[in-house]
Amino acid sequence: QVQLQESGPGLVKPSQTLSLTCTVSGVSTSTGTYYWTWIRQPAGKGLEWIGRIYSSGDTNYNPSLESRVTISLGTSKNQFSLKLTSVTAADTAIYYCAREDYLRAYYLDSWGQGTLVTVSS
Amino acid sequence: DIQMTQSPSSLSASVGDRVTITCRASQSFSTYLNWYQQKPGKAPKLLIYAASSLLSGVPSRFGGSGSGTDFTLTISSLQPEDFATYYCQQSYSTPWTFGQGTKVELK
Repeated sequence: QVQLQESGPGLVKPSQTLSLTCTVSGVSTSTGTYYWTWIRQPAGKGLEWIGRIYSSGDTNYNPSLESRVTISLGTSKNQFSLKLTSVTAADTAIYYCAREDYLRAYYLDSWGQGTLVTVSS
Repeated sequence: DIQMTQSPSSLSASVGDRVTITCRASQSFSTYLNWYQQKPGKAPKLLIYAASSLLSGVPSRFGGSGSGTDFTLTISSLQPEDFATYYCQQSYSTPWTFGQGTKVELK
């Protein structure tokens, strides 16, 4: 059974870089039928797709964040990471990593529990 | 970006009620539509993919329909564990986008 777990600092100062890691168990991130995805949710609000990475390293980003976002595969085969530069208070949110299955259709079938990141000085 | 609009934003219902949530897309895209359930403090969980395919393990009281721009999530007989917020999500073109959510509350 696949499991995902986010980790990283819970507090980031404005203008600095937010860095999170997602550790995956139960399946390798090099498996070719999945994308590995980041989504965020400000408190009390809806879901925003940040971007995704394929096992080849190919990425897709939300144009609204593309200039500040980098998603990469970890040195370990079962990790992938998110970097978001020049953060502001508007980036305060719960950040989720998730697996996207595209074999039959594109859908997010496994999610991490989420990690709250607060941007504040 | 494709805009997804859900209605209603919230609803009050009783156990045993039939509940219907609609999701409308700003452009047509066949059946690339997924539904998620989110409970407070928890990550969303996939219920239905490709508009009408029930994920394995999801109770059969959940059903999805629609294509093009108009989609529906139906809960045939609301159970206590179904009180949650529901989101639709299009997977036709990136960036994937979600509806604003529909909160199902106890009447």
